Amino acid sequence: KQEVTQIPAALSVPEGENLVLNCSFTDSAIYNLQWFRQDPGKGLTSLLLIQSSQREQTSGRLNASLDKSSGRSTLYIAASQPGDSATYLCAARAVRLTFGEGTQLTVNP
Amino acid sequence: NAGVTQTPKFQVLKTGQSMTLQCAQDMNHEYMSWYRQDPGMGLRLIHYSVGAGITDQGEVPNGYNVSRSTTEDFPLRLLSAAPSQTSVYFCASSYSTGDFTEAFFGQGTRLTVV
Repeated sequence: KQEVTQIPAALSVPEGENLVLNCSFTDSAIYNLQWFRQDPGKGLTSLLLIQSSQREQTSGRLNASLDKSSGRSTLYIAASQPGDSATYLCAARAVRLTFGEGTQLTVNP
Repeated sequence: NAGVTQTPKFQVLKTGQSMTLQCAQDMNHEYMSWYRQDPGMGLRLIHYSVGAGITDQGEVPNGYNVSRSTTEDFPLRLLSAAPSQTSVYFCASSYSTGDFTEAFFGQGTRLTVV
């Protein structure tokens, strides 16, 4: 059974800092890994999708990497802003999506 | 673009009542699924469907029924609501279940069972 773990569970940083969110998964037989953002009381917004054959994907200030062999993915956020405050979820897809519990990020002005 | 639409956004039920959570997508996606999100437990898969007429159980299916009569709609039925079903429910869809597949989520239904 696939298990997905996200570390840290919560993170508070000052504005402007570069930060890394970690995601690990136990079964490397995945099709892809997807990062989501969730604002309080809202749904999930897709940020980045990394295919199993890819090493990384970039969108603006966000960069996600994938190392299938070690069962790890990281989400790098450059020059963080207060508007980045949210919960970030990663999900590994075999046939089904398996989610981590998320990292709650607070960026302080 | 509407994407994935869930109704209602909020609902309060009494124990024992039944109701249907609606989910519709306009992206012609074959794969649809229902999740519940609870504090400390993340999102857990309830039921999923790989196409019209085909459904299967996920991780936590007890107390819920689904059907898929059309590609667009995937309703979730609570047969006899229990306080343990208080949660936030999300519907998701994707083109398929394999590689190059991005999942899209609705805005959620916040359900309270009293």
